[in-house]
Amino acid sequence: GESVGLHLPTLSVQEGDNSIINCAYSNSASDYFIWYKQESGKGPQFIIDIRSNMDKRQGQRVTVLLNKTVKHLSLQIAATQPGDSAVYFCAEKKAAGNKLTFGGGTRVLVKP
Amino acid sequence: EAGVAQSPRYKIIEKRQSVAFWCNPISGHATLYWYQQILGQGPKLLIQFQNNGVVDDSQLPKDRFSAERLKGVDSTLKIQPAKLEDSAVYLCASSLSPSNEQFFGPGTRLTVL
Repeated sequence: GESVGLHLPTLSVQEGDNSIINCAYSNSASDYFIWYKQESGKGPQFIIDIRSNMDKRQGQRVTVLLNKTVKHLSLQIAATQPGDSAVYFCAEKKAAGNKLTFGGGTRVLVKP
Repeated sequence: EAGVAQSPRYKIIEKRQSVAFWCNPISGHATLYWYQQILGQGPKLLIQFQNNGVVDDSQLPKDRFSAERLKGVDSTLKIQPAKLEDSAVYLCASSLSPSNEQFFGPGTRLTVL
């Protein structure tokens, strides 16, 4: 399949290590944030979301942290696996309008 | 459950030609979205439908892009005439309602020469 992006920031991580992907968002009015995973040749896939009244949310092997003071979002992946290799995007949504705005992506490469 | 279907998967055209993309959303999903994803960037919303009505087309270049969802199910996105900068992946997504999770199709990769 085609590459999602050739000039994205890249995070190389050893299999089994933890990964941290960061995202800065721009709109202080946003109240809902989502992390998506996009594999080559596929559309974005929902990973985890968080509302602005929370600062942390955990899923299966993933944790999202939200720092509203500095408008920063991070995704932590525990025990990174080869199947986690993909491009990861954060997205924000305002309460009104429900329009989803995507940020720039980060490519994660898992080394065996 | 079948996902969002899109066709064709790939299309190569010359500038000034026309092209159309098709999307079949998940059954029962009232909200349908078309996004443009330029290489190296996140998807950008072009148009959002609620059933067969347009909710948001503020970022759709209306001089050359058009979209319709006549019966509130399938949708087509057309570009006429295409420009070099239209080269991108065109993603279709659907959701039960605007406040529900969006599910994305595999996209159509358009190359304009």
